[in-house]
Amino acid sequence: GAVVSQHPSRVICKSGTSVKIECRSLDFQATTMFWYRQFPKKSLMLMATSNEGSKATYEQGVEKDKFLINHASLTLSTLTVTSAHPEDSSFYICSGLEGLAQETQYFGPGTRLLVL
Amino acid sequence: DAKTTQPPSMDCAEGRAANLPCNHSTISGNEYVYWYRQIHSQGPQYIIHGLKNNETNEMASLIITEDRKSSTLILPHATLRDTAVYYCIVRVAGFQKLVFGTGTRLLVSP
Repeated sequence: GAVVSQHPSRVICKSGTSVKIECRSLDFQATTMFWYRQFPKKSLMLMATSNEGSKATYEQGVEKDKFLINHASLTLSTLTVTSAHPEDSSFYICSGLEGLAQETQYFGPGTRLLVL
Repeated sequence: DAKTTQPPSMDCAEGRAANLPCNHSTISGNEYVYWYRQIHSQGPQYIIHGLKNNETNEMASLIITEDRKSSTLILPHATLRDTAVYYCIVRVAGFQKLVFGTGTRLLVSP
């Protein structure tokens, strides 16, 4: 299957700072990438859909000014959590669509964010 | 997307076949059935998907009933590393989002 990487794998930051998470498709071009968030013992919740060269589409209830998404190339999307607070602590996972018909999402290993 | 129903948990002995059921009684004709799994503290891993016909790959087999209202994921020889949460998701062809439910927590024991 296609490979997606994320960096960093885990990050600890102070409240009020901003954190950037990178998502890369290593062996395919991903016109569309997705960002998910997962709280402990819960399922994945889609935050936003990121399309290369255009603005991201955010799910209802997700603050676009707090979670900045940039998809500047076909292999890289970034999520920046601005002015992070302890309630933003979570497991953030990205995915990319692969295939001629873009039929399958492949996921990164996730980034664990802890805001103190 | 159509909703799916999965048992919250299942147990399986190592070396035996694990059969994970999924009910998707409201599935539409253009919706595919996808299976992913998530091992603890990792991102989801794609397993297999299908529309009407049964599918098999190196990881698993997917059996879809003729009326397409349910399916079964089969891991032919479960190992301890197959312990994970398994998600059954239906998705419209060309519709990009995946909506994750609560899945089935499979525990493979020695």
